[in-house]
Amino acid sequence: NAGVTQTPKFQVLKTGQSMTLQCAQDMNHNSMYWYRQDPGMGLRLIYYSASEGTTDKGEVPNGYNVSRLNKREFSLRLESAAPSQTSVYFCASSQTHDGADEQYFGPGTRLTVT
Amino acid sequence: TQLLEQSPQFLSIQEGENLTVYCNSSSVFSSLQWYRQEPGEGPVLLVTVVTGGEVKKLKRLTFQFGDARKDSSLHITAAQPGDTGLYLCAGAGTDSWGKLQFGAGTQVVVTP
Repeated sequence: NAGVTQTPKFQVLKTGQSMTLQCAQDMNHNSMYWYRQDPGMGLRLIYYSASEGTTDKGEVPNGYNVSRLNKREFSLRLESAAPSQTSVYFCASSQTHDGADEQYFGPGTRLTVT
Repeated sequence: TQLLEQSPQFLSIQEGENLTVYCNSSSVFSSLQWYRQEPGEGPVLLVTVVTGGEVKKLKRLTFQFGDARKDSSLHITAAQPGDTGLYLCAGAGTDSWGKLQFGAGTQVVVTP
């Protein structure tokens, strides 16, 4: 049981290049999330998917697109990378337990845009 | 947007000492969670509290949810080097299913 996996672990892009961050979970969770983490700002939600076939914008969606490929996989795409998108990106999935939504995170992708 | 403020931002203590981390907001949360994050890894859920005034204990860690469900604290007794990490609180709004609002975190360093 691997939990939440993310690829790649590290990536360096030049301004204007595109890339897709991959995420997969094997816990049969319905909901999945993409966050970015920047120093002093905590985790900020980019997009989320409440169930297979649905996606919604979070707090900071500009410059990103997502695809919920199936129940297991949720990808994040940067069409034209900008230096402001330099960050650590985390994928998470969640289950409801005792009335609360508990999230499980992947190990992160460290992205640098030059 | 419901802001969660954590204090202090950084805490450095000696092994065996106690510490408390605070998480405060002006908004009411339906539930509040604490996560610990180690360098190069994703956050790991420690506990979820859902009832105002609730106290949960996890070995040497004690978590409390405020009576009004606007604030929370994490107390560590007799801290050990293995407690070192970034502690994050995250609240779920009463009308924002599944979407957590995270605090900026408290970096705790416990030295032997």
